[in-house]
Amino acid sequence: EVQLLESGGGLVQPGGSLRLSCAASGFTFSSHAMSWVRQAPGKGLEWVSTIVARGTITYYADSVKGRFTISRDNSKYTLYLQVNSLRGEDTAIYYCAKDYDTLSGPVDSWGQGTLVTVSS
Amino acid sequence: QLVLTQSPSASASLGASVKLTCTLSSGHSSYAIAWHQQLPEKGPRYLMKVNSDGSHNKGDGIPERFSGSSSGAERYLTISSLQSEDEADYYCQTWGTGIRVFGGGTKLTVL
Repeated sequence: EVQLLESGGGLVQPGGSLRLSCAASGFTFSSHAMSWVRQAPGKGLEWVSTIVARGTITYYADSVKGRFTISRDNSKYTLYLQVNSLRGEDTAIYYCAKDYDTLSGPVDSWGQGTLVTVSS
Repeated sequence: QLVLTQSPSASASLGASVKLTCTLSSGHSSYAIAWHQQLPEKGPRYLMKVNSDGSHNKGDGIPERFSGSSSGAERYLTISSLQSEDEADYYCQTWGTGIRVFGGGTKLTVL
């Protein structure tokens, strides 16, 4: 059974930083692209970032480009998201998501999410 | 620009069927999409992938009551024999090189 367990969320001041982690199990981690998707309170799902299976290519939504960095450690079955220069509009639940394929494809598994709150 | 459009809300009676629509933007009618269900206060759950030819591949454990289909730039999710636990938000999603896109979601109310 695929399991994705996020951690690292919390309350942070505007301009602050956090490192989100996602521990994966139940599948061959190094064979799948992985993504972060967020959901602001009362809003819909918003794609944030994707990293291909080998970790060699990364993609970002325009809203986070230059502030967020996605990475992965295939030996540890762990996905990361370094979030810097946080703004109020970054307040959201951040979900770790497994993509169907090595490079692309639909999300086919989701974590339960970790809440990031940006407030002074 | 790759965009997915969904109606904000839908409703249907207990035991009836409902068909939710996701529309791909102009020039992208060949794209496959995925449907995801989000129950109240829960994380999303993958339901199925729907291809442009109408074929679909469901996730593990998804009931037979859920099915997908296509017509042109529209992708559909049909839920038959509606149950109270089907009341949820439903999102469609598509993807391309370097991009993932979600529709705005449809809130389904079971009457």
